[in-house]
Amino acid sequence: GNSVTQMEGPVTLSEEAFLTINCTYTATGYPSLFWYVQYPGEGLQLLLKATKADDKGSNKGFEATYRKETTSFHLEKGSVQVSDSAVYFCARPDRGSTLGRLYFGRGTQLTVWP
Amino acid sequence: DAGVIQSPRHEVTEMGQEVTLRCKPISGHNSLFWYRQTMMRGLELLIYFNNNVPIDDSGMPEDRFSAKMPNASFSTLKIQPSEPRDSAVYFCASSAGRALLDGELFFGEGSRLTVL
Repeated sequence: GNSVTQMEGPVTLSEEAFLTINCTYTATGYPSLFWYVQYPGEGLQLLLKATKADDKGSNKGFEATYRKETTSFHLEKGSVQVSDSAVYFCARPDRGSTLGRLYFGRGTQLTVWP
Repeated sequence: DAGVIQSPRHEVTEMGQEVTLRCKPISGHNSLFWYRQTMMRGLELLIYFNNNVPIDDSGMPEDRFSAKMPNASFSTLKIQPSEPRDSAVYFCASSAGRALLDGELFFGEGSRLTVL
């Protein structure tokens, strides 16, 4: 099938702590993979992406490496800030679609305390 | 540049009433998506259009839901009659060209619907 599975939340951290949010995917072949972020009261926005195996996507201090061996795309940040509090979604495209349909994970709520 | 614009931002209505949600995609984008977000079910794709044509409406919950895209700059999602279980945040998103590679859907701020 075509899906993404991400770790259950919520995740609560203190400022400057290390963050990992796990994401694994099922797919035939090697699709592009994405992380989206949803800040409170807003729509989702693209955080980072990787378009092929072994690529590393990065943005705003966040990183994720596309690992085909483990079919994973875990999101990491070395030192989180209060402003990183949001919901994070892992996503991959529908393999059968060339029109941009994405499958989203359930989302992981992150709360960072000062 | 203006992003995806949705209206209304908030709507509270009574069961049985008709609800119409509106979306203006980013100019030049040729794909438009309607999503519903709830705590229980997460983010669900309801329907998406390409070049104003509905491509996949398999996510539309039932016949009470309908969506139209009469032109490239406007889409509506209608619920008639509405029920309390329709309470959710409804997002519209648009994308350009081969979004499979870029992965960038542009989301509006959502319409929060409460059906009493």
